[in-house]
Amino acid sequence: QVQLVQSGAEVAKPGASVRVSCKASGYTFIDYYMLWVRQAPGQGLEWMGWINPKSGGTNYAQKFKGRITMTRDTSISTAYMELSSLTSDDTAVYYCMRVPCLISICSPQNWFDPWGQGTLVTVSS
Amino acid sequence: EIVLTQSPATLSLSPGERATLSCGASQTISRNFLAWYQQKPGLAPRLLIYDVFRRATGIPDRFSGSGSGTDFTLTISRLEPEDFAVYYCQQYVNSPLTFGGGTKVEIK
Repeated sequence: QVQLVQSGAEVAKPGASVRVSCKASGYTFIDYYMLWVRQAPGQGLEWMGWINPKSGGTNYAQKFKGRITMTRDTSISTAYMELSSLTSDDTAVYYCMRVPCLISICSPQNWFDPWGQGTLVTVSS
Repeated sequence: EIVLTQSPATLSLSPGERATLSCGASQTISRNFLAWYQQKPGLAPRLLIYDVFRRATGIPDRFSGSGSGTDFTLTISRLEPEDFAVYYCQQYVNSPLTFGGGTKVEIK
């Protein structure tokens, strides 16, 4: 059974950084793109970027370039999303998700299933 | 960037009724690259429909998707109590990936 399990809720101060992890199980981690989206309280969904777990290649939404970093540790099948220079506007639930098919045949621009359970990041002084 | 506009924002219906949710795109969505998700409070979105009309694994056939070009529809033929939730459309034809603002289906 394919599963994505994310790290727990975080509280961070303005200007700080936060790193969220996403541990994959039930499939070969390096064979599928991983993406991240976020959802501010009571708001819709916002795409942040993706990582190719095999190569480590990334593509970030323009809005986050310069303060977002996606990495992975293939030895433990885990992807990470780090966001820096946090402001209150970054308070949101952050989700990781997997594309439905192999990197060799599948674009990272895709629909997503499954999703991680979400990680609430609260930015507050 | 493709902007997706969902309507109505809120749909108030009773169990057993038919729900029709709309998703309009600012540009043509080619190759049927549109999906629908359901989200319940405190949970991650769940994939319902992809490629405009294909149901995801385990999704009941009361959910159906249709449309083309810039106008798309999610239909729930007969609402069950567990269907009251927020629904989002998503396009994946262009980068950046974008989502609609959501339609909340609430109990009347």
